[in-house]
Amino acid sequence: SQTIHQWPATLVQPVGSPLSLECTVEGTSNPNLYWYRQAAGRGLQLLFYSVGIGQISSEVPQNLSASRPQDRQFILSSKKLLLSDSGFYLCAWQISSTGELFFGEGSRLTVL
Amino acid sequence: SQQGEEDPQALSIQEGENATMNCSYKTSINNLQWYRQNSGRGLVHLILIRSNEREKHSGRLRVTLDTSKKSSSLLITASRAADTASYFCATDSPYSGGGADGLTFGKGTHLIIQP
Repeated sequence: SQTIHQWPATLVQPVGSPLSLECTVEGTSNPNLYWYRQAAGRGLQLLFYSVGIGQISSEVPQNLSASRPQDRQFILSSKKLLLSDSGFYLCAWQISSTGELFFGEGSRLTVL
Repeated sequence: SQQGEEDPQALSIQEGENATMNCSYKTSINNLQWYRQNSGRGLVHLILIRSNEREKHSGRLRVTLDTSKKSSSLLITASRAADTASYFCATDSPYSGGGADGLTFGKGTHLIIQP
């Protein structure tokens, strides 16, 4: 069966520090992968999606970036965090036939 | 911008009662999905209804879709304390080239079931 792992689960970082959140999927090949951000009390905002290795599409301009170095690995990065980067980051993969998303458990980032 | 908007934003009911949440969206869709999120956790897919379907059931869940009004409802019957969570509707778009660019989520309805 397919599983999706995200880490770290919780992160507290100072403004201006770098960021790396990692997501890996098991049990499926060539998945569509997504990074969403959820601010407190808000819905989900799509940040990046990837349909294959090295293929990244960005939905919003920001100081975040994403990379897909391997088929089942999706990384969210920043060189210098801003206070506004605080939030709950969710990685997901998609069943191509139906469009259903399967989410990881999330990474809560607090920028101080 | 948000495609789906859930209503109400928050709902508190007694255990055993039915809970109804609504979702409105703006553009044409291929399908509409409902997800559940427990506090501090990832989202879990509940049910998908296609644009050519009007009603769908799954256990205690009943989803309706009215494409003429661009709205959907999620009914949870005989609610339990464990149903306490946030519920989100999500839509894709027929213009999204196969849906690879993900789903658009509403802000969610926070449901509290009082024991």
